[in-house]
Amino acid sequence: QQQVKQSPQSLIVQKGGISIINCAYENTAFDYFPWYQQFPGKGPALLIAIRPDVSEKKEGRFTISFNKSAKQFSLHIMDSQPGDSATYFCAALNYGGSQGNLIFGKGTKLSVKP
Amino acid sequence: NAGVTQTPKFRILKIGQSMTLQCTQDMNHNYMYWYRQDPGMGLKLIYYSVGAGITDKGEVPNGYNVSRSTTEDFPLRLELAAPSQTSVYFCASSLLRGFFTFGSGTRLTVV
Repeated sequence: QQQVKQSPQSLIVQKGGISIINCAYENTAFDYFPWYQQFPGKGPALLIAIRPDVSEKKEGRFTISFNKSAKQFSLHIMDSQPGDSATYFCAALNYGGSQGNLIFGKGTKLSVKP
Repeated sequence: NAGVTQTPKFRILKIGQSMTLQCTQDMNHNYMYWYRQDPGMGLKLIYYSVGAGITDKGEVPNGYNVSRSTTEDFPLRLELAAPSQTSVYFCASSLLRGFFTFGSGTRLTVV
């Protein structure tokens, strides 16, 4: 119940295309869903995050879509660029819980071809 | 503002050796975490701390120990290194829950 399932494991997209990464969770106590971006040799960095009181959040070319009833959320990267090539992790958190630690998906390696 | 600093960046250990991975943050964050990252497996929580003097186990604590004597420092100790501990280790800190700042990682190989 603490898992966050992420798919696909890898993704190849042409420059200018749309990249879509999906995540699903089971624990209904989760109430904060961030996405992290990691470049090779670097630590993950917060990209965008959403709370379940909204169905969509957009920041530039990055959009999170959230479906509370299905317990699913996804990251859409519009007009994908070679510089977006990185590993993306979805995560979930029980914001009101005692630990404050994120539960991460296994990651999606995105390659954007020029 | 250095953020989260991890040392060393790389290390090769022999089976049975011990070492300490250092983590320091200068943002006065209360929450600190240690994760390990293995290929295709995401990030697994090893230990975490909600403040100086308070630590607790995460999902994969066996073979590791931590201490939190100050707000800034959260070292991770490996005793009797095993090949299964070959991984990339990330330290993170947060002021608000979920807003993690990660270090650049320590790549550890146990041979």
